Amino acid sequence: DTAVSQTPKYLVTQMGNDKSIKCEQNLGHDTMYWYKQDSKKFLKIMFSYNNKELIINETVPNRFSPKSPDKAHLNLHINSLELGDSAVYFCASSRQGPNYEQYFGPGTRLTVT
Amino acid sequence: AQSVTQLGSHVSVSEGALVLLRCNYSSSVPPYLFWYVQYPNQGLQLLLKYTTGATLVKGINGFEAEFKKSETSFHLTKPSAHMSDAAEYFCAVSGGRGAQKLVFGQGTRLTINP
Repeated sequence: DTAVSQTPKYLVTQMGNDKSIKCEQNLGHDTMYWYKQDSKKFLKIMFSYNNKELIINETVPNRFSPKSPDKAHLNLHINSLELGDSAVYFCASSRQGPNYEQYFGPGTRLTVT
Repeated sequence: AQSVTQLGSHVSVSEGALVLLRCNYSSSVPPYLFWYVQYPNQGLQLLLKYTTGATLVKGINGFEAEFKKSETSFHLTKPSAHMSDAAEYFCAVSGGRGAQKLVFGQGTRLTINP
């Protein structure tokens, strides 16, 4: 059983389009995250949700809108895609608390042309 | 604010040699420290973590790390490298109330020479 899953794995789209990435975890965790990994492999937090409530928003453009329909799901919708949005997006989940490890999904490679 | 610096973006060792990946952190609160490994085209997998207690932490695949508060370091070691250890390694820090996020270092690519 996959602990944290993401769909799609690859996403190729044109500038200006709107796209969504879905994430699901079956670990029973309360907290979910979105991270962005750029072309230099640098990882940075974008959002964090705890029990469906947004708790971290790291100055991400408001073209990015996360949605958590329930504790097991955290989706990411991106409007008006730009070239600079090309990256790998990782979903993660954990128990509540900074001392708990985060479990990462396999990533979604987004390419904007 | 918390930060992590990984010394050396690329480390190359021979198979069977010692692996040492360096990580220094900055944190105004007691840190929680993690090492993750990323194999090509995959997500991140936890190698080990330090929260409290014993400062020498053992992880999976024969890796271990030692938390040294005086040096603000959390270096990762493995006595004998294996070809399968070739991957990208990330050190990360979290901590503090309301700061449930991982702040990552820039990563170190480990290459194993036969």
